[in-house]
Amino acid sequence: DGGITQSPKYLFRKEGQNVTLSCEQNLNHDAMYWYRQDPGQGLRLIYYSQIVNDFQKGDIAEGYSVSREKKESFPLTVTSAQKNPTAFYLCATHRGGGAVNEQFFGPGTRLTVL
Amino acid sequence: GDSVTQMEGPVTLSEEAFLTINCTYTATGYPSLFWYVQYPGEGLQLLLKATKADDKGSNKGFEATYRKETTSFHLEKGSVQVSDSAVYFCALEENRDDKIIFGKGTRLHILP
Repeated sequence: DGGITQSPKYLFRKEGQNVTLSCEQNLNHDAMYWYRQDPGQGLRLIYYSQIVNDFQKGDIAEGYSVSREKKESFPLTVTSAQKNPTAFYLCATHRGGGAVNEQFFGPGTRLTVL
Repeated sequence: GDSVTQMEGPVTLSEEAFLTINCTYTATGYPSLFWYVQYPGEGLQLLLKATKADDKGSNKGFEATYRKETTSFHLEKGSVQVSDSAVYFCALEENRDDKIIFGKGTRLHILP
């Protein structure tokens, strides 16, 4: 059963702590993305990776970090430098290679800073 | 840069009403256009897409036509149901760079 898994679904963090959000896919897609969603602001791109061991900053990368050591995995770390991390985080994949195709989304992780 | 503008919500309709959600775009080339839907607490799902001018995407009773002359991709449905209540995002992909630009989303409420 192909798909994208994000864990955990809900995550609580104390101020000043780093936290890592998991994203795993078995679609064999090359490209992976992290978005942040806030009410009334749509989706904003944090980081994306078009190939293993390579990634680029999106529009709001400050306070976040990523790695892409395996094709299947693209974890996002929310660091203490992110001033307002409470949000809904979405991971997505794309077949890549320049073909016109949609992005596929995981179920999301809701992060709350206490 | 490229951008997508869609009508602000929330949009509230009665069941069986006709739905239109407006979407216009700005792009330097010839983008592919998408509508995504997000149900409460979930990720986004592709609803329909169109890859060239005059293409009509359709799915689950929803339709949208790629209008190059008006740079628009309006979403329509002839008779909405309560289960259509969700947030709808218009989006474009240009230059085959695998990045998609999303509008801010339109929340739709359907009343029984």
